[in-house]
Amino acid sequence: SQELEQSPQSLIVQEGKNLTINCTSSKTLYGLYWYKQKYGEGLIFLMMLQKGGEEKSHEKITAKLDEKKQQSSLHITASQPSHAGIYLCGAPLQGAQKLVFGQGTRLTINP
Amino acid sequence: DGGITQSPKYLFRKEGQNVTLSCEQNLNHDAMYWYRQDPGQGLRLIYYSQIVNDFQKGDIAEGYSVSREKKESFPLTVTSAQKNPTAFYLCATGRVWDSPLHFGNGTRLTVT
Repeated sequence: SQELEQSPQSLIVQEGKNLTINCTSSKTLYGLYWYKQKYGEGLIFLMMLQKGGEEKSHEKITAKLDEKKQQSSLHITASQPSHAGIYLCGAPLQGAQKLVFGQGTRLTINP
Repeated sequence: DGGITQSPKYLFRKEGQNVTLSCEQNLNHDAMYWYRQDPGQGLRLIYYSQIVNDFQKGDIAEGYSVSREKKESFPLTVTSAQKNPTAFYLCATGRVWDSPLHFGNGTRLTVT
């Protein structure tokens, strides 16, 4: 079955620093979603990527899907305390109407 | 406002009791999903339904049951057969292939 591996699992950065979270698939991705979650709450949609080489940005967050469509990265520039939380990548399984998720990356921003 | 609502936010039960988690949506989506989240394990799919009166098992369906009698509602029952029911449960709705899933705020179930 398709699996999504996220790295790192946990990340602690100084406020103002840049950071990158990766999401790697064992199979070709037919779409990739990035979500953010505050502890004990639901998931908030960040970005959706569908084409190889696609890149999207929103405020200080940029997400990319590589040309081979097997890896995605989420980059945060000049991190702020509001960026803290759990980041999850999710992807639809080929031929199925369901999403699989990576194990999540817990991001902590130190002042 | 359109959205997806889970209730209750917190639920406490004694071991051996069945418990039902509520999920209601007014986004008019056909598909609904139940995920379980444990620390450090991301989300795992329990059950999903693509249409009323039909549902499919996900990766960890054992010990759970669902029903889909109405388009708006997809309740999840955690039965006494579920060996480790304490977890955070998330309900979602939407179309997987061309738009993001919308998630509820979750129900934290604690079984002692």
